[in-house]
Amino acid sequence: AQSVTQPDIHITVSEGASLELRCNYSYGATPYLFWYVQSPGQGLQLLLKYFSGDTLVQGIKGFEAEFKRSQSSFNLRKPSVHWSDAAEYFCAVGARNTDKLIFGTGTRLQVFP
Amino acid sequence: GAGVSQSPRYKVAKRGQDVALRCDPISGHVSLFWYQQALGQGPEFLTYFQNEAQLDKSGLPSDRFFAERPEGSVSTLKIQRTQQEDSAVYLCASSFGRDYEQYFGPGTRLTVT
Repeated sequence: AQSVTQPDIHITVSEGASLELRCNYSYGATPYLFWYVQSPGQGLQLLLKYFSGDTLVQGIKGFEAEFKRSQSSFNLRKPSVHWSDAAEYFCAVGARNTDKLIFGTGTRLQVFP
Repeated sequence: GAGVSQSPRYKVAKRGQDVALRCDPISGHVSLFWYQQALGQGPEFLTYFQNEAQLDKSGLPSDRFFAERPEGSVSTLKIQRTQQEDSAVYLCASSFGRDYEQYFGPGTRLTVT
């Protein structure tokens, strides 16, 4: 069965520091991979996605993620965090033969000035 | 253009009441999804429509949950005889179809008292 693991429930960083949020997935083939961000009271906004091709994908708001097949990982990175990045981040996997997304439990990012 | 909209944004129901939650997808989007997000958790898939056809309802937790999309546009998620465990945020998403990203609405927060 497909599953997504986000090992870090809560991460705190200082503004300007670099960030890496971890995501591991379980799936029998190459899945579609996504990172979404959710601010309080808001819906989910897509940050970036991986379907195929270049394993380093660029997203909005200066985020990037790297698909590593050997590690079954799709970690999200940002070189310099801004206070407005404080939110909940969800990694998700989509199967190629269905359309539904399987989400991780999320990582809450807190940013200190 | 307009994004996915959902109404109401907040709903309080007494246990045992029926509720109906509405989703207006992005115009032209063929696929429509419903997810349930419990407090502190990631969204969980409920059901999926392609146009008016409900192709997957494997995530509906019980037969008290029913979804429809009669004209292939607006969708309604109905919950009969609500229970406290139904309290959650219900998210709707739409997409152009397979291999396209899903765009999420702001969600409806349902509280069952």
